[in-house]
Amino acid sequence: SQQGEEDPQALSIQEGENATMNCSYKTSINNLQWYRQNSGRGLVHLILIRSNEREKHSGRLRVTLDTSKKSSSLLITASRAADTASYFCATDPDTGNQFYFGTGTSLTVIP
Amino acid sequence: GAGVSQTPSNKVTEKGKYVELRCDPISGHTALYWYRQSLGQGPEFLIYFQGTGAADDSGLPNDRFFAVRPEGSVSTLKIQRTERGDSAVYLCASSRATGRINEQFFGPGTRLTVL
Repeated sequence: SQQGEEDPQALSIQEGENATMNCSYKTSINNLQWYRQNSGRGLVHLILIRSNEREKHSGRLRVTLDTSKKSSSLLITASRAADTASYFCATDPDTGNQFYFGTGTSLTVIP
Repeated sequence: GAGVSQTPSNKVTEKGKYVELRCDPISGHTALYWYRQSLGQGPEFLIYFQGTGAADDSGLPNDRFFAVRPEGSVSTLKIQRTERGDSAVYLCASSRATGRINEQFFGPGTRLTVL
């Protein structure tokens, strides 16, 4: 079963705009990671945020984590056409060894 | 160095047949994961290896699925008596140690089609 759920399921924006994707999960976690997947390709790790962190930045990416609401958001600023991909959050529950991926947000950036 | 590789990239088989999917992790990565991804869905955890042993196989859907990693490097996912519902992309990932605080590096996947 998949623990995380992203919303929106699909997002279409103009190049240069910001894109925000949200992830909700169900159980306590050690950390939360965001991954990107281009069509027909494997997943690429973007950023990891630990359960004791509230915000993290990496280049044009900004991730927030609210453990009280069991939610995270990924913000991509100044989007580019090359950002078009599916984005997944993955949670690492504090029990067991599984990683749970959400259903993903499909982002389309229109040039 | 090379990333995670998976072979074959595509596999078409008939219902009831046996298939093996191979994963070559990044050299030195002790943790290895198998996932299954259906169209429009996120990856679904199948099994996790730490070294040679399966530390967590709770994601395997039934006893038709089995995976090995005999020397702590290459892993093979084996599916017996394949069913049409097994059709999916099978992804392998590796990480330096236990994946809890380490990013996972994914292979391109094997697309399995069961006719």
